[in-house]
Amino acid sequence: GAVVSQHPSRVICKSGTSVKIECRSLDFQATTMFWYRQFPKQSLMLMATSNEGSKATYEQGVEKDKFLINHASLTLSTLTVTSAHPEDSSFYICSAPQENTEAFFGQGTRLTVV
Amino acid sequence: LAKTTQPISMDSYEGQEVNITCSHNNIATNDYITWYQQFPSQGPRFIIQGYKTKVTNEVASLFIPADRKSSTLSLPRVSLSDTAVYYCLVGDGYGGATNKLIFGTGTLLAVQP
Repeated sequence: GAVVSQHPSRVICKSGTSVKIECRSLDFQATTMFWYRQFPKQSLMLMATSNEGSKATYEQGVEKDKFLINHASLTLSTLTVTSAHPEDSSFYICSAPQENTEAFFGQGTRLTVV
Repeated sequence: LAKTTQPISMDSYEGQEVNITCSHNNIATNDYITWYQQFPSQGPRFIIQGYKTKVTNEVASLFIPADRKSSTLSLPRVSLSDTAVYYCLVGDGYGGATNKLIFGTGTLLAVQP
């Protein structure tokens, strides 16, 4: 099946710094990718829709200036958490849907801000 | 997007059949029902999708009554490795490029020896 790869799988950063998370579709092109955040023992919460060649669409309550999304190619979307704070610590997951088949998810990135 | 309701948790023993029911009273005519499985610290994985009646694949069966207001995921003879959170989602088709996947609370299935 199609594979979606995230990098890094886990990252620890200092408060105030920025962290970039990559999401790649390895064997198919994805004009759209989705970014989710998941806190412990909670469900996935959709943060934004990443659109290749255009601006991302953010869900209500998600700060676009804090969570920068860039979809520079048909196989890569990046999420940058800017000026990270401990409350941004979470599990971030991307997904890449394909036409007429199920959406594939990355393995997730565990972000810890200290 | 139709809202879904599932039990928060379920317990089972190895070798038993497990049925997880999901309610989706406001399902639309063009909505499909999709189930995902998620292990701790991993992304969700597709299990099965259906529109009506019954669908079966190598890992599960999905039962959908005629009114489509609910669905039941059936896992035959579960093992310890089936311990995971199971999400029921309702949406247009596979939730493809033009659709988002909105996750509900999910059901934490705990399989014991």
